[in-house]
Amino acid sequence: GENVEQHPSTLSVQEGDSAVIKCTYSDSASNYFPWYKQELGKGPQLIIDIRSNVGEKKDQRIAVTLNKTAKHFSLHITETQPEDSAVYFCAANTRGGTDKLIFGTGTRLQVFP
Amino acid sequence: NAGVMQNPRHLVRRRGQEARLRCSPMKGHSHVYWYRQLPEEGLKFMVYLQKENIIDESGMPKERFSAEFPKEGPSILRIQQVVRGDSAAYFCASSPLSGDGDTQYFGPGTRLTVL
Repeated sequence: GENVEQHPSTLSVQEGDSAVIKCTYSDSASNYFPWYKQELGKGPQLIIDIRSNVGEKKDQRIAVTLNKTAKHFSLHITETQPEDSAVYFCAANTRGGTDKLIFGTGTRLQVFP
Repeated sequence: NAGVMQNPRHLVRRRGQEARLRCSPMKGHSHVYWYRQLPEEGLKFMVYLQKENIIDESGMPKERFSAEFPKEGPSILRIQQVVRGDSAAYFCASSPLSGDGDTQYFGPGTRLTVL
């Protein structure tokens, strides 16, 4: 079945450094790739997404890149801040009319002041 | 525009009882998805509904679980005769459209604990 792999599972960085999280997906028909941030006890919050017709998208300190040939997509956070500390999930949609999301297993990001 | 609302936020049930979880989508959204998150894991798709229709329930356990999204009122996820393994966070998400990768907005979740 469809699968999304996410690495690393944990990531610790110093405030001001960059953080990169990588995902691979298996369904070649996927065309929508969102990233969610989840803080303790809360629901996932969409932070950025990308569709298959573009290779890169940026929103202030956050950027996402997509390589459809290799089925890879990555989240880049620059100038990290302590409030960026959370669990980040990548996801890919499945086609066929339902658009359910297949999620990665998450990356726990810790930003140390 | 209020976000996706879920209630209750926390639910405690004893084994064998029924759990009923509610989800009100964002205004104007007619598509609802339910996901389950076990501790320290990612979210797993359960069911996708439109008003009065179940479109995809491929992620739902075959027994004890059911979902509905009536013409009026919230979407309901019902778990009958709960067992300890049902303890998890249940999230619903809504989107205005589907079929071409439309954004899903998540609610705060219901954390179910089965004693």
